[in-house]
Amino acid sequence: NAGVMQNPRHLVRRRGQEARLRCSPMKGHSHVYWYRQLPEEGLKFMVYLQKENIIDESGMPKERFSAEFPKEGPSILRIQQVVRGDSAAYFCASSPATGSNTEAFFGQGTRLTVV
Amino acid sequence: GDSVTQMEGPVTLSEEAFLTINCTYTATGYPSLFWYVQYPGEGLQLLLKATKADDKGSNKGFEATYRKETTSFHLEKGSVQVSDSAVYFCALADGSSNTGKLIFGQGTTLQVKP
Repeated sequence: NAGVMQNPRHLVRRRGQEARLRCSPMKGHSHVYWYRQLPEEGLKFMVYLQKENIIDESGMPKERFSAEFPKEGPSILRIQQVVRGDSAAYFCASSPATGSNTEAFFGQGTRLTVV
Repeated sequence: GDSVTQMEGPVTLSEEAFLTINCTYTATGYPSLFWYVQYPGEGLQLLLKATKADDKGSNKGFEATYRKETTSFHLEKGSVQVSDSAVYFCALADGSSNTGKLIFGQGTTLQVKP
């Protein structure tokens, strides 16, 4: 059973371009979480999705950021018109169910650099 | 809102030394508590967890006890190895919303020297 797969591992974008980050959850997992890790900081929650639904997007910036988890295919975190401050590591986690006792499994992250 | 505070790093120890990384939390309700480890260039791996007061989580020689009275979940290991060098994150699962959303501390870097 493959783990959570994120791609690309590294992504370089110029200011103003779009960044698309992909996350394939573990097999059988229908709950996906996105977190952002700024340099020298802990992870900050961004969004929680189930198949075709956004459940909690309280951590998402109001502009330029969007996320989806379609019925088929990976979850996508999309950042439009990137700025230098978007440079960070973006981690995806998946779990088989919701709830505070449920373990989340993390991918290796996508490291976005905006130049 | 809920929050997690960890001791600042880096923590530098010699091999076989005793390790303590302090973690305290603020939360409504009864959160579950976790320690995650991040090796360089990698994602986070769950190290141990505890779901209720007085539970002790343990794994690979690491231990942490859920202390409700002091709202703490300190990580300990009796004898560290060079391979334990990593960043350690304390986290809680938001019990009020029950979504599984995690709130992380800022991380503590551990460096173990031979």
